[in-house]
Amino acid sequence: QVQLVESGGGVVQPGRSLRLSCAASGFTFSNYGMHWVRQAPGKGLEWVAVKSYDGRNEEYADSVKGRFTISRDNSKNTLDLQMNSLRVEDTAVYYCARPHYSDSYMYAFDIWGQGTMVIVSS
Amino acid sequence: DIVMTQSPDSLAVSLGERATINCKSSQSVLYRSNNKNYLAWYQQKSGQPPKLLIHWASTRESGVPDRFSGSGSGTDFTLTISSLQAEDVAVYYCQQYYSSPLTFGGGTKVEIK
Repeated sequence: QVQLVESGGGVVQPGRSLRLSCAASGFTFSNYGMHWVRQAPGKGLEWVAVKSYDGRNEEYADSVKGRFTISRDNSKNTLDLQMNSLRVEDTAVYYCARPHYSDSYMYAFDIWGQGTMVIVSS
Repeated sequence: DIVMTQSPDSLAVSLGERATINCKSSQSVLYRSNNKNYLAWYQQKSGQPPKLLIHWASTRESGVPDRFSGSGSGTDFTLTISSLQAEDVAVYYCQQYYSSPLTFGGGTKVEIK
């Protein structure tokens, strides 16, 4: 079945780095732009970043621009998020999400992973 | 950035009664060339990822019960649960995908009265 599985979360000190990964299965990963969305504890959803299907285009939320880097490996069906210079306010569950259609990444998200928790704390 | 504002923040509804959630965008999310509203609704139950209920403002996702319906256009949208069931207890979010950055409303918590 169509599935997204995130990994790589954990506890990290402010200023340090962490790399998240999302493994996709059950669909043609290379056809879809892919997103990261996060949710701070007890808070709402915040879009973080997107990588186009072919890896040529990417966009970031202002809150993470210059610190986070999204990447993908279509040969391995994986989406990564390299998070540098982490801040306490980056503490959240990080979800990878797939848009509903493959011809653009500007669609609603019909497939979500279960999420991976990142805690930034000294 | 398009700001999405939901109301109310929470509501308690009796089983079998109607629940109505509102979502307002700071600018229109109606794409004139295809007459589609780039607006989605999600349901998030405790400890779970969000689940897509409705996209294009009123198109129900496959498998979503027909008691869920979406309406509205331009900047004002509504999610209606026609007859609330116990399993509908959740937080509901609207989202615009008209322009980047994609943005979500703050959420509406639905409980049983």
